[in-house]
Amino acid sequence: DAGVIQSPRHEVTEMGQEVTLRCKPISGHDYLFWYRQTMMRGLELLIYFNNNVPIDDSGMPEDRFSAKMPNASFSTLKIQPSEPRDSAVYFCASSLVLAGRTGELFFGEGSRLTVL
Amino acid sequence: KNEVEQSPQNLTAQEGEFITINCSYSVGISALHWLQQHPGGGIVSLFMLSSGKKKHGRLIATINIQEKHSSLHITASHPRDSAVYICAVHRNGGSQGNLIFGKGTKLSVKP
Repeated sequence: DAGVIQSPRHEVTEMGQEVTLRCKPISGHDYLFWYRQTMMRGLELLIYFNNNVPIDDSGMPEDRFSAKMPNASFSTLKIQPSEPRDSAVYFCASSLVLAGRTGELFFGEGSRLTVL
Repeated sequence: KNEVEQSPQNLTAQEGEFITINCSYSVGISALHWLQQHPGGGIVSLFMLSSGKKKHGRLIATINIQEKHSSLHITASHPRDSAVYICAVHRNGGSQGNLIFGKGTKLSVKP
């Protein structure tokens, strides 16, 4: 398997524009996570899905952020409208359930977002 | 106070040295992860453990549930071990997928 695939790797956009980040999890994994990493706050969970269903979106900062998982092989994280404070690296990760909890996490390479 | 604390924040070592990175947490947990983030930004899972000790090559992870503490050891360190090491925990009673992350320990191994 190619691992977790994210796109784009880098995105530079202007404030107010819509940003869409994409993720393809490892085939067969039933958990998918979206994380955000900043210098100030480190890694934070935004949302995660189990079998394509959103389970916990308490980390989504505000209504400008939305995430979907239309099928087992694809997820998107959308920011509309984007703001400079959204600048961060966004990671997607996938996992199998193990003993009733998520097992080893497999991360994508991340999408570095810069909002000017 | 952060629920997951790592020490030290930064660590510089000479090649060949034995390295220890510590993680303390203040909540009840069901499992703990150690992650490695390379200078290029990619994140790799090193260990997931809920008790005792695990070993993989030159890396050893231990956890003491009673003391709420875990350590990551690197034997015979090498410059390629230079990375940020991140501790993360599954909190008891929390949603299954919600990990709490430490701020990371930046390790630099000099040749």
